[in-house]
Amino acid sequence: EDKVVQSPLSLVVHEGDTVTLNCSYEVTNFRSLLWYKQEKKAPTFLFMLTSSGIEKKSGRLSSILDKKELSSILNITATQTGDSAIYLCAVGPFSGGYNKLIFGAGTRLAVHP
Amino acid sequence: DGGITQSPKYLFRKEGQNVTLSCEQNLNHDAMYWYRQDPGQGLRLIYYSQIVNDFQKGDIAEGYSVSREKKESFPLTVTSAQKNPTAFYLCASSIDPGLSGANVLTFGAGSRLTVL
Repeated sequence: EDKVVQSPLSLVVHEGDTVTLNCSYEVTNFRSLLWYKQEKKAPTFLFMLTSSGIEKKSGRLSSILDKKELSSILNITATQTGDSAIYLCAVGPFSGGYNKLIFGAGTRLAVHP
Repeated sequence: DGGITQSPKYLFRKEGQNVTLSCEQNLNHDAMYWYRQDPGQGLRLIYYSQIVNDFQKGDIAEGYSVSREKKESFPLTVTSAQKNPTAFYLCASSIDPGLSGANVLTFGAGSRLTVL
């Protein structure tokens, strides 16, 4: 059965700390791994990692895909209170037309002043 | 600005009633999806549609129904047959699933349904 597991489920840090969120997956055919940030309602897209693009960076956020270990990490450096959110990891198996994403349960990050 | 509009944001339903959640997109996306989000669980796919007048069941379609009469619209009906409908419902869309980057979903702000 295809599955995506995120850890930790929740995390509390102070502003300025660096955090690492983990995502591991087991899927029949891997196409891409995506990270989303969900603050209140709508998840917003952060990164997509594929076999041809295993590392992405945007400002204080960066992500790496390890296809050998079937996992990915999302790093946030110098955290701010605005980083408080649920971070979702999703994996998209290649489907030949059916765009099915499998989501993990998410990591709830709380950044305290 | 292009995006996805879901309505209502909050909805209360009595047991035995059907309710319909609206989802409209102006992104000109071909594919649309409905997900359910429960605390401590990942998003679970209810239904998806790749083109107008065609839709497929996802992993948890029982007790739900959809229609896709227009490219822009993909309403979800939660029927009385859904045993545990209280949840947060998210609508999403993407470009043609056969294209590169199609896995990137754009989400609406969600609808929270509470059954009284």
